[in-house]
Amino acid sequence: NAGVTQTPKFQVLKTGQSMTLQCAQDMNHEYMSWYRQDPGMGLRLIHYSVGAGITDQGEVPNGYNVSRSTTEDFPLRLLSAAPSQTSVYFCASSHRDRGNEKLFFGSGTQLSVL
Amino acid sequence: QKEVEQDPGPLSVPEGAIVSLNCTYSNSAFQYFMWYRQYSRKGPELLMYTYSSGNKEDGRFTAQVDKSSKYISLFIRDSQPSDSATYLCAMSDTGRRALTFGSGTRLQVQP
Repeated sequence: NAGVTQTPKFQVLKTGQSMTLQCAQDMNHEYMSWYRQDPGMGLRLIHYSVGAGITDQGEVPNGYNVSRSTTEDFPLRLLSAAPSQTSVYFCASSHRDRGNEKLFFGSGTQLSVL
Repeated sequence: QKEVEQDPGPLSVPEGAIVSLNCTYSNSAFQYFMWYRQYSRKGPELLMYTYSSGNKEDGRFTAQVDKSSKYISLFIRDSQPSDSATYLCAMSDTGRRALTFGSGTRLQVQP
């Protein structure tokens, strides 16, 4: 059981380039989300999805797009990368257990924008 | 002011010590409280979760929630070098599925 798989693990971009961070889960979870982690800032929610075809913005959505065409996949797109988007990105899928949201995280993508 | 405050550490303790990790929060609507452990260059993994106030114990780990003080704690007994990691608190309210995370406390357990 792979859980949550993120690719790539590392990426270097130049300002203005675009790219897609891939995320796939095999736990049949409806809820998926993207976070970025910066020093001293903790994990901040970028976008989330409550099911195929449904997405919504989180705390820091600017500069990022998402789509959810299947239950398994939830890619994150950077349309025009900026140095402020240098961060570690985590994808998570989750289910509710007696009201509590249990998140399962991927291993992360370390992104540098020069 | 952040909704969830957490001392970043690092916190360095000798093997076998009792460790206390804490978070304070400002949103009284939070009902679900979680602790995640994150090893270097890995994704966070759920360690413990509690609902509302009270204590929960799991092996060497105890989670406490004091909603009247808006304060949560994670205690680690008989700490081991393998406990060296960053510990993140997280919380949510009944209406939202999104979690609000603290910034994490880095713990080092010295052998």
